[in-house]
Amino acid sequence: DTGVSQDPRHKITKRGQNVTFRCDPISEHNRLYWYRQTLGQGPEFLTYFQNEAQLEKSRLLSDRFSAERPKGSFSTLEIQRTEQGDSAMYLCASSSPAFPDTQYFGPGTRLTVL
Amino acid sequence: AQTVTQSQPEMSVQEAETVTLSCTYDTSESDYYLFWYKQPPSRQMILVIRQEAYKQQNATENRFSVNFQKAAKSFSLKISDSQLGDAAMYFCAYGVGGNKLVFGAGTILRVKS
Repeated sequence: DTGVSQDPRHKITKRGQNVTFRCDPISEHNRLYWYRQTLGQGPEFLTYFQNEAQLEKSRLLSDRFSAERPKGSFSTLEIQRTEQGDSAMYLCASSSPAFPDTQYFGPGTRLTVL
Repeated sequence: AQTVTQSQPEMSVQEAETVTLSCTYDTSESDYYLFWYKQPPSRQMILVIRQEAYKQQNATENRFSVNFQKAAKSFSLKISDSQLGDAAMYFCAYGVGGNKLVFGAGTILRVKS
């Protein structure tokens, strides 16, 4: 059973560019979550999906951020017109129908905005 | 709003000794879950242990155990026989109903040989 995977692992971009991250959850996991983590801090919730439905979005998720999970499998997180404040680790997690409360995390995508 | 507080920014323990990491939380819910996650430097978040609030029995996983005090809203992690590989950032987290997790700020654990 493979774990949660994220791609890319690292992304360096210039301010104003758009970036897209991908997350593949553990097979059969129906819930998928996105978090953002800055250095030395705990992860902060961004949004989550149950199957293809986006059930909750944080106020942290500005209009420049959008997430999708079109077929209820992998998910993408897009940041438009990146700002230096967007530099962070973006973590994806998933949970199963049997244990919806227990989230398993991927390795994260580290974004650096120059 | 639910909050999670980890009051120890950093802890140190001698190899083979026992260390306890503290966590308190605030909630008005009666049924919820609590977790400890471990994040080694530059590596991914790993689930260490989970506790269901309706269970009075404290969870244990090998060398890891918790002291769950529901009335006091306290959830500490005890690591016995500490090993060098236990060195990491430890996060306490709270969740309800399969929704988002709320994390504390973390405790850096250093293990001395």
